[in-house]
Amino acid sequence: AAGVIQSPRHLIKEKRETATLKCYPIPRHDTVYWYQQGPGQDPQFLISFYEKMQSDKGSIPDRFSAQQFSDYHSELNMSSLELGDSALYFCASSLGTPEEQYFGPGTRLTVT
Amino acid sequence: AQKITQTQPGMFVQEKEAVTLDCTYDTSDPSYGLFWYKQPSSGEMIFLIYQGSYDQQNATEGRYSLNFQKARKSANLVISASQLGDSAMYFCAMREGGFNKFYFGSGTKLNVKP
Repeated sequence: AAGVIQSPRHLIKEKRETATLKCYPIPRHDTVYWYQQGPGQDPQFLISFYEKMQSDKGSIPDRFSAQQFSDYHSELNMSSLELGDSALYFCASSLGTPEEQYFGPGTRLTVT
Repeated sequence: AQKITQTQPGMFVQEKEAVTLDCTYDTSDPSYGLFWYKQPSSGEMIFLIYQGSYDQQNATEGRYSLNFQKARKSANLVISASQLGDSAMYFCAMREGGFNKFYFGSGTKLNVKP
């Protein structure tokens, strides 16, 4: 069965650079979620989109923005990167009111 | 206040035994969903089980069952017949109402001993 796809899987950036993470949800899933998981931390909800509209917002810094496109894929744009942005970034998707939420493999971002 | 509390940072269990991972939640919304995820050392997040606030029966999925005690606001995960491959971090999570926003607990690291 198709799963959530994230690219790239690993990304190394320097401070003050920008990064773009991509997420391709499971086919027919209409909701995408982004999470940030720091080392040894629980996943922190950043933002979600339902049918290409922002649905809910969590602890997403102003330096980050995200959108969901007409093909339902989503991109998380991160600017002015800081060392503290180093984390595993997960995308997840679900269909409608989620009784199941499936996670992608994550993008490991390292900021040096 | 914490929305999800997992009070066991780490647990050990003998292979083939059952283990219960605790989770309590805090919400005033009558409609909510509770989820458990497994995160092995490789890092991926694996969905295990879901319980809706209006579900009368406790959810079960294979060796996983969710002990849902609504009045006590607890949603403990029970893993029966533990296997070595169950060694991982386990997260409890909650979604409130019709919102697409999830709250995660701090996780419990389970180690299954041979």
